[in-house]
Amino acid sequence: QKEVEQNSGPLSVPEGAIASLNCTYSDRGSQSFFWYRQYSGKSPELIMSIYSNGDKEDGRFTAQLNKASQYVSLLIRDSQPSDSATYLCAVTGYSGNTPLVFGKGTRLSVIA
Amino acid sequence: SAVISQKPSRDICQRGTSLTIQCQVDSQVTMMFWYRQQPGQSLTLIATANQGSEATYESGFVIDKFPISRPNLTFSTLTVSNMSPEDSSIYLCSVEPYSEGGTDTQYFGPGTRLTVL
Repeated sequence: QKEVEQNSGPLSVPEGAIASLNCTYSDRGSQSFFWYRQYSGKSPELIMSIYSNGDKEDGRFTAQLNKASQYVSLLIRDSQPSDSATYLCAVTGYSGNTPLVFGKGTRLSVIA
Repeated sequence: SAVISQKPSRDICQRGTSLTIQCQVDSQVTMMFWYRQQPGQSLTLIATANQGSEATYESGFVIDKFPISRPNLTFSTLTVSNMSPEDSSIYLCSVEPYSEGGTDTQYFGPGTRLTVL
């Protein structure tokens, strides 16, 4: 049974700070890792994907993957109130049309 | 990415009735996935819809309760049958576009918010 674990939060950070979101997964064979953002009442929106160990940066977002530790994280720099949402970590096993296994999500609140 | 629409966006239904949710994609995809998100919870996969074959259901979900159709490469339906208040959830379809094959990247439709009285 594949599992993806996240702290539920809420994680509160002041505006302009770095928000750090963490995720661990149980399946050592997992290949693909994603971060989705979900605003209340909306569907998940893909913000980052990462496939190999190390860091991947996209604007204010940086995803970090460590397969040996089965750990993936998301850093949000210069956090804005509009970043306040639930962040879902998702993992797949093998490449190509495989279902996503989601964590329960971390609720982030950015305080102005 | 892909543009995905779902109908209806929301509905309020009576216990014992059925509702069919439609998912339409603007490009061809191999598989479409149906998820459920209960209030305050994360997403749970119901089934994977393959074109031209039977859907594959996850543990705890059965075809009699959640029949799925996939008549072509851009469309799928999920029916929630004999509904009870426990079926009140958001139902989401997702797809991996051909253009992003091999990346496992999935995009979600806007969801259908179902309330069963």
